[in-house]
Amino acid sequence: GQQVMQIPQYQHVQEGEDFTTYCNSSTTLSNIQWYKQRPGGHPVFLIQLVKSGEVKKQKRLTFQFGEAKKNSSLHITATQTTDVGTYFCAGEYPGANSKLTFGKGITLSVRP
Amino acid sequence: NAGVMQNPRHLVRRRGQEARLRCSPMKGHSHVYWYRQLPEEGLKFMVYLQKENIIDESGMPKERFSAEFPKEGPSILRIQQVVRGDSAAYFCASSLLAGGGNEQFFGPGTRLTVL
Repeated sequence: GQQVMQIPQYQHVQEGEDFTTYCNSSTTLSNIQWYKQRPGGHPVFLIQLVKSGEVKKQKRLTFQFGEAKKNSSLHITATQTTDVGTYFCAGEYPGANSKLTFGKGITLSVRP
Repeated sequence: NAGVMQNPRHLVRRRGQEARLRCSPMKGHSHVYWYRQLPEEGLKFMVYLQKENIIDESGMPKERFSAEFPKEGPSILRIQQVVRGDSAAYFCASSLLAGGGNEQFFGPGTRLTVL
């Protein structure tokens, strides 16, 4: 079936280090979205990517959509303690009627 | 513009009781989605509704769970005869559009605990 994979589930970095995580789908996506959830909080929308090869930047965060629209990456430059949280990717498949399929997320911890 | 509202924030039920979770979407949003999140798990899609219509309920368990989004009032997720396995965080999200551009705005969630 259609599923979105995020591996690993946890990553620990030293403050100031860069961080990259990936999201992979078995089949082509219509678009992909990224969300961040802080501990005890709710998911907050970060970005949506629609076009093949699209790259978008938000301050220290860079998001990319693969050429085949099957994978995506999130890169954080010079992590800060405020980057702590779980990052989810969520893909919409063609004909899915706005339904999003979420990955399990990657929980980032940052050592000060 | 108030965000997505959910209540109650915390709900405790004994096995066999009913749980009613309410969600008011953002103003102007007519698309509502319900998700379930188990501890240290991702969000599992349950149901997608528009006003008075269920668009996609492919993630809803076949029994005991139902959802509605009436013409007036909030969307309701109803769980009958709750069991311990129903304990989870239930998030509601709303969007302005369907399809591309359908970023979803999440509510604070309802944490359901079944004793």
